[in-house]
Amino acid sequence: SQTIHQWPATLVQPVGSPLSLECTVEGTSNPNLYWYRQAAGRGLQLLFYSVGIGQISSEVPQNLSASRPQDRQFILSSKKLLLSDSGFYLCAGQGANTEAFFGQGTRLTVV
Amino acid sequence: RKEVEQDPGPFNVPEGATVAFNCTYSNSASQSFFWYRQDCRKEPKLLMSVYSSGNEDGRFTAQLNRASQYISLLIRDSKLSDSATYLCVVSWGGKLIFGQGTELSVKP
Repeated sequence: SQTIHQWPATLVQPVGSPLSLECTVEGTSNPNLYWYRQAAGRGLQLLFYSVGIGQISSEVPQNLSASRPQDRQFILSSKKLLLSDSGFYLCAGQGANTEAFFGQGTRLTVV
Repeated sequence: RKEVEQDPGPFNVPEGATVAFNCTYSNSASQSFFWYRQDCRKEPKLLMSVYSSGNEDGRFTAQLNRASQYISLLIRDSKLSDSATYLCVVSWGGKLIFGQGTELSVKP
């Protein structure tokens, strides 16, 4: 079965510090991969998606970047966190013509 | 116009009620459609895919109208355990776009 491992589950970081969130995929090859952010009480905002290694599409201008160094690895980064970067970050994957499957999410608090 | 829009909610219903969720999407090239359920502070979980001919899974029925660019989810005989946020999801061109979600609260 398709699974996503996402870590850490919670993270508290000071303003101005760097960020690296990683997720890895099992059970499928060449998935589309996604990073979402969810603010409290709000919907999922698509941040980045990738249809293959090294291919990243950004949906919204922001303080974050993404990379896909391997087929099943997707990384979300920031050089300097802002207070507004706080939220629930979800990594998701999708095989060909299948539903999306999610990691358990990272709850980031920037202080 | 948002790419995927849902009823704003919340919906507060008694046990046993029938509840309908509606969702519209803007891109006519959309390829795949899903309903997800999200419990508080958890990741979304797939409830059901939505097929052109409509599909049913127990108390849940999903319908797709490509001409109107509209999908729906019907929950019959709602249970307390159905309380959650329901998310409409549309896929096109490698993107997977979520609606903002509709919260459902089923009361005894």
